[in-house]
Amino acid sequence: QKEVEQDPGPLSVPEGAIVSLNCTYSNSAFQYFMWYRQYSRKGPELLMYTYSSGNKEDGRFTAQVDKSSKYISLFIRDSQPSDSATYLCAMSGGTDKLIFGTGTRLQVFP
Amino acid sequence: GAVVSQHPSWVICKSGTSVKIECRSLDFQATTMFWYRQFPKQSLMLMATSNEGSKATYEQGVEKDKFLINHASLTLSTLTVTSAHPEDSSFYICSARIHRTYEQYFGPGTRLTVT
Repeated sequence: QKEVEQDPGPLSVPEGAIVSLNCTYSNSAFQYFMWYRQYSRKGPELLMYTYSSGNKEDGRFTAQVDKSSKYISLFIRDSQPSDSATYLCAMSGGTDKLIFGTGTRLQVFP
Repeated sequence: GAVVSQHPSWVICKSGTSVKIECRSLDFQATTMFWYRQFPKQSLMLMATSNEGSKATYEQGVEKDKFLINHASLTLSTLTVTSAHPEDSSFYICSARIHRTYEQYFGPGTRLTVT
């Protein structure tokens, strides 16, 4: 079993939809959780950074962490075609390394 | 925001030659930088972790003599691919961690093609 599981998609939604992206993990030591967006042939861009359980909102993006269920989510409201990218979850247990999910490909069509 | 640059963004070299890739944190000091490799449609594979002023820590299976990493200052790390072969062709991405946090910011990546 992988430490971090993420549905690879692709996930295809119409413009304006609410998108839900999820990751599950097995290591209870993970405390720091991140979501990255990666466009094709580019480096990942940090979207959200959260510590422990709870919600964090930034513009159209909301990150949720449920440590009891070992489950994290990223919600995108009012999705736009420019949101079409691969979304990677990542987490750390307080060491240098980030453990990444495999990424979910999202396509938002007009 | 935190910005990380990489240079070059794209390089083609002949088999047997060496290539150096630079990674710079532009607006923050990075005591720790990371080098990743990414194959098409796959996730990031950590190659090594470098700390300023000390030797890099390589992941299992990564040849340290082939992928030389130097973290010479708090804003610069370099990756040198020595005696490159076609199988080294890949997308190399660096990241830098903000001191005393676990936030990592990535560079735009370098596409290496070895002919």
